[in-house]
Amino acid sequence: GENVGLHLPTLSVQEGDNSIINCAYSNSASDYFIWYKQESGKGPQFIIDIRSNMDKRQGQRVTVLLNKTVKHLSLQIAATQPGDSAVYFCAEKESGTYKYIFGTGTRLKVLA
Amino acid sequence: DTGVSQNPRHKITKRGQNVTFRCDPISEHNRLYWYRQTLGQGPEFLTYFQNEAQLEKSRLLSDRFSAERPKGSFSTLEIQRTEQGDSAMYLCASSLAGLDQPQHFGDGTRLSIL
Repeated sequence: GENVGLHLPTLSVQEGDNSIINCAYSNSASDYFIWYKQESGKGPQFIIDIRSNMDKRQGQRVTVLLNKTVKHLSLQIAATQPGDSAVYFCAEKESGTYKYIFGTGTRLKVLA
Repeated sequence: DTGVSQNPRHKITKRGQNVTFRCDPISEHNRLYWYRQTLGQGPEFLTYFQNEAQLEKSRLLSDRFSAERPKGSFSTLEIQRTEQGDSAMYLCASSLAGLDQPQHFGDGTRLSIL
C-alpha cells in the first residue's frame, strides 16, 4: 500500500535554531495532512493540520508547508526549545475516507 | 475536556491468554479509532467507529481481534489467544464528525506477551 515516508530519521538542532522536518507522501488522492508530536510513553499529540487546498498554514511557532506537485510536506518549528524534543509523524488521509496513514517518524533532538 | 483515556496503561500476559483494553473518548466526539504501534514505527490503523457502528476494519485486524462500542461512548478492544507478535502499544483516538477532523490520541495501552 502507499505510505507516508520521512526523509530523515533523526534531526539534531541547537536550542534556539529553527527546525525543518520533512515528509514525502505518495498518494495523490490524499487531501488532508496532520503533524503529530509523540513523546516517550505518550500518545501522539496533534500539532497542526493542513488541507490540500492550502499550501501553507501557521500556528504558534510552527508552520506546515504543502507542495502537492512533488507530494511533499514539511513542518517548521521556530526557535526550537528542549521541550520540542520528540518523534514527529506526518499523517495523510485519502479523500473520502476516515483512515489516516502514518509514516515511521523523525526524531528531533534539541541540543543545549 | 479530560482527553482520551485508555486503561490499563500496561498489560503483561502469557501467550494464549485473552486481553481486553478500554478507551474512553473525548465526550463530544462520535468517531473513535484504534491503532497499533510498534517500536520505531508510526501508528497503524486497525478500525474505526462512528457512534456504535464499526465502519472500517484493517486487514491487520485478524479474527482474534474484536472491537466494540456498544453505546457509542467507550470502546473495548479484545485480543483472544494472544501471540508474541501482538506485543505493541495499542492507541485509541477520537474525533468530531465530518471530514478533515484531527484525531486526538490517548496515551495507549502497552501490551507485553511473555
